[in-house]
Amino acid sequence: DSGVTQTPKHLITATGQRVTLRCSPRSGDLSVYWYQQSLDQGLQFLIQYYNGEERAKGNILERFSAQQFPDLHSELNLSSLELGDSALYFCASSGQGTQYFGPGTRLLVL
Amino acid sequence: AQTVTQSQPEMSVQEAETVTLSCTYDTSENNYYLFWYKQPPSRQMILVIRQEAYKQQNATENRFSVNFQKAAKSFSLKISDSQLGDTAMYFCAFSTPYSGAGSYQLTFGKGTKLSVIP
Repeated sequence: DSGVTQTPKHLITATGQRVTLRCSPRSGDLSVYWYQQSLDQGLQFLIQYYNGEERAKGNILERFSAQQFPDLHSELNLSSLELGDSALYFCASSGQGTQYFGPGTRLLVL
Repeated sequence: AQTVTQSQPEMSVQEAETVTLSCTYDTSENNYYLFWYKQPPSRQMILVIRQEAYKQQNATENRFSVNFQKAAKSFSLKISDSQLGDTAMYFCAFSTPYSGAGSYQLTFGKGTKLSVIP
């Protein structure tokens, strides 16, 4: 158990819809990273928050957004969903340069 | 931009034998971290081992060890006494603490699927 929690574990939705994925980092970690794992793109970094502020952006679509709250949990919002957004979404929190991953949220867009 | 290459899409090894997974990377940075993560069928991403670039000594964690060749930009993972539970996808990953205001974002290779055969 990495200490990073993610909810929900599975999500099935339709094209055009909006979903919110939630992540709670390990106790004491201030950074949260979001990654997308898909068959064609592999593992890709989306965005990082540090203590409530956006720190770095990767290959995140404009339809996607994230935030980190004062209690340090983070939410990834995916809107206007397309079939190609079906993937496994991980969050990770870091301590001293090492990232520890949550169990992931498996999103299926039908 | 940093890139990570894993040239072996699939490998297999007999139980109790030793196997080495290859990884090369490209960066202009001098200070960075390298990692191996394991993803079993459960899809959980599990940290296997970490190496800091400034350390010449190769990292070891029980049956797992690395061969870090900084000049060659090579970072291979050796698994000794392979066990059935080692069956998984293995990802090599790179991060640098100097990429964008203290972000340790990871760049991953495409992975090597390892099967341990009884």
